[in-house]
Amino acid sequence: KNQVEQSPQSLIILEGKNCTLQCNYTVSPFSNLRWYKQDTGRGPVSLTIMTFSENTKSNGRYTATLDADTKQSSLHITASQLSDSASYICVVSGDGGSQGNLIFGKGTKLSVKP
Amino acid sequence: DVKVTQSSRYLVKRTGEKVFLECVQDMDHENMFWYRQDPGLGLRLIYFSYDVKMKEKGDIPEGYSVSREKKERFSLILESASTNQTSMYLCASTTDTYNSPLHFGNGTRLTVT
Repeated sequence: KNQVEQSPQSLIILEGKNCTLQCNYTVSPFSNLRWYKQDTGRGPVSLTIMTFSENTKSNGRYTATLDADTKQSSLHITASQLSDSASYICVVSGDGGSQGNLIFGKGTKLSVKP
Repeated sequence: DVKVTQSSRYLVKRTGEKVFLECVQDMDHENMFWYRQDPGLGLRLIYFSYDVKMKEKGDIPEGYSVSREKKERFSLILESASTNQTSMYLCASTTDTYNSPLHFGNGTRLTVT
């Protein structure tokens, strides 16, 4: 069964600290992996998209890594800010990359405290 | 920037009512989607559309229908609202390329009483 598992479910860190969120998937065949940020009361916003051949991608203070062999991805946030408080959702595209076949993780809720 | 606009942020409807949720995108995207988001369950796909007048069922289409008469507009219809349809509904759009990101609206929080 195609699944995307994220850990931890929630995380609290102090402002300025780094953190890493994990995503493990069992989707096959694999097309790409996406990370989204969802602020409370808003729709998700795309952070990165990585294909099979990419093993790292950055977007400002956000760096995503992908290990297609172990089917794991991580999202590293550097020097966290209060505005990083949000849910982070890992999404995997399989089945030839059809946009109608995205498998969503349940998200990691990050709280950054001053 | 792509803008996906959902017509209502909050809606309260009664059981049995017919409910229309509207979504408009301004970037000429071919693909449009309706998801619902519930705590602990993540996003689940209800319906999507690859073109005008085209629709495909997602994972949880029961109790819903959709309409896409124009490329920029995708409507979700709850034929007879029930309390288990109380949820956050998110519309999204994207281009036709396989690795293009979804652009989401800010959601409609629907409460059915």
